[in-house]
Amino acid sequence: QKEVEQDPGPLSVPEGAIVSLNCTYSNSAFQYFMWYRQYSRKGPELLMYTYSSGNKEDGRFTAQVDKSSKYISLFIRDSQPSDSATYLCAMSAVYGNKLVFGAGTILRVKS
Amino acid sequence: DADVTQTPRNRITKTGKRIMLECSQTKGHDRMYWYRQDPGLGLQLIYYSFDVKDINKGEISDGYSVSRQAQAKFSLSLESAIPNQTALYFCATSDLFSNQPQHFGDGTRLSIL
Repeated sequence: QKEVEQDPGPLSVPEGAIVSLNCTYSNSAFQYFMWYRQYSRKGPELLMYTYSSGNKEDGRFTAQVDKSSKYISLFIRDSQPSDSATYLCAMSAVYGNKLVFGAGTILRVKS
Repeated sequence: DADVTQTPRNRITKTGKRIMLECSQTKGHDRMYWYRQDPGLGLQLIYYSFDVKDINKGEISDGYSVSRQAQAKFSLSLESAIPNQTALYFCATSDLFSNQPQHFGDGTRLSIL
């Protein structure tokens, strides 16, 4: 069983929809959580970073961590075709320790 | 110009060949990383370097070596390539206050026949 599970998708939604992307994990020691966005034929880019539980908002993006359920989410409001990409979650137990990445979810936003 | 530049972008080679992938950055970051991405597996860390004199193995370093020639340059070598090293390779950097990779290059697609 992988330490971090992520539904590969593709997830296809109409423009303007609220998107929910999720990861589950098995290691209860994880407390640093990241989301990366990767466009086709490009490298990942760091989108959101959260520590421990709770929510963090940045524009149309909200990252949510539920440590009791070992579940993290990325919400995208008012989704745009430019949000079409692969979204990778990543996490670590100790600051500075290696990240464990999910395999990524492909998102397609249709105009 | 890109902040993190990887060369070549694509490479096809044969089993047993020595290959070098190069990475240069203009971010001024001390920390550099090499990752491998395979379908369905996510990113896996091969090597990382926190400064010119510091080289550390990641989770899948067997069959790979690295060289940190300068603050801005970090190269990855496959001494004797094998087909299961066919993958997408990424170089990344981070600043002194961040231990997670912040800026990635656009990758090298490597195929070993």
